[in-house]
Amino acid sequence: AQSVTQPDIHITVSEGASLELRCNYSYGATPYLFWYVQSPGQGLQLLLKYFSGDTLVQGIKGFEAEFKRSQSSFNLRKPSVHWSDAAEYFCAVGVPNFGNEKLTFGTGTRLTIIP
Amino acid sequence: DGGITQSPKYLFRKEGQNVTLSCEQNLNHDAMYWYRQDPGQGLRLIYYSQIVNDFQKGDIAEGYSVSREKKESFPLTVTSAQKNPTAFYLCASWNRARGANTGELFFGEGSRLTVL
Repeated sequence: AQSVTQPDIHITVSEGASLELRCNYSYGATPYLFWYVQSPGQGLQLLLKYFSGDTLVQGIKGFEAEFKRSQSSFNLRKPSVHWSDAAEYFCAVGVPNFGNEKLTFGTGTRLTIIP
Repeated sequence: DGGITQSPKYLFRKEGQNVTLSCEQNLNHDAMYWYRQDPGQGLRLIYYSQIVNDFQKGDIAEGYSVSREKKESFPLTVTSAQKNPTAFYLCASWNRARGANTGELFFGEGSRLTVL
C-alpha cells in the first residue's frame, strides 16, 4: 500500500521569506500526487496536483511543487510567503486505478508566519 | 454554485448514542468519501463509494456505517460502537471520469463531533 510522510510537523517562517514543505511517498510506480491547504475549522482546498508530464507543477496562490522520482519526493515551494499563507498543508498520494482512486494523506505541516 | 454541503457543522453527542452526519453534493460526481481528521494524524479514510448502492470500507471503518441511495448523498452514521468518535469529519467527492488522466478530491467544510 502507498504511504506518504511529511517530516515537518510545524514550520515558522518570516513574511516575505521563501518556503519549502517536504513530502516523501512510498509506492512502487509513479503515483498521483497532491498538495492541499486547510485553514482552521475548514475543509481542504487543492493547491496543485501531479499526474504525469512536466515534473514542475504550478498551482494556485503562487505555489509550485516538483516531482522527483529518484527521491520519491514532491516538495511544495513558494518564493515569498504572505501572512495569509498561515495554515496546515497536506500532501497526498493516489494510486492510479482507472477512476477508482483513493488518496492517502500525510499527517500535515502547520505553517506559522511571523511579521 | 456547485459544491459539497456537510451538516451539521457542530454536533454534540452523549456516549451510547448514534449520530448521522449529512453530506450532499451537486457536482454530479460518482465517487464520494468520508475522512476522519484528528490532530497530528492527518486524514484517515473511513468509507468510500464509487457508485450508487455500493460502498467499501476504508482504513478505519469500525464503528461507522454509510449508505449511498442517491448519487448526491452519502451520509455517515457514527455508532455507539465507535470507541473514540470525537473528531473532525470531512466528506469529499472525486471528479475524475474513468480513463481520464486527471482529477481531484473536492471537500466539504467538515463536521465537528464532540462526545460528552
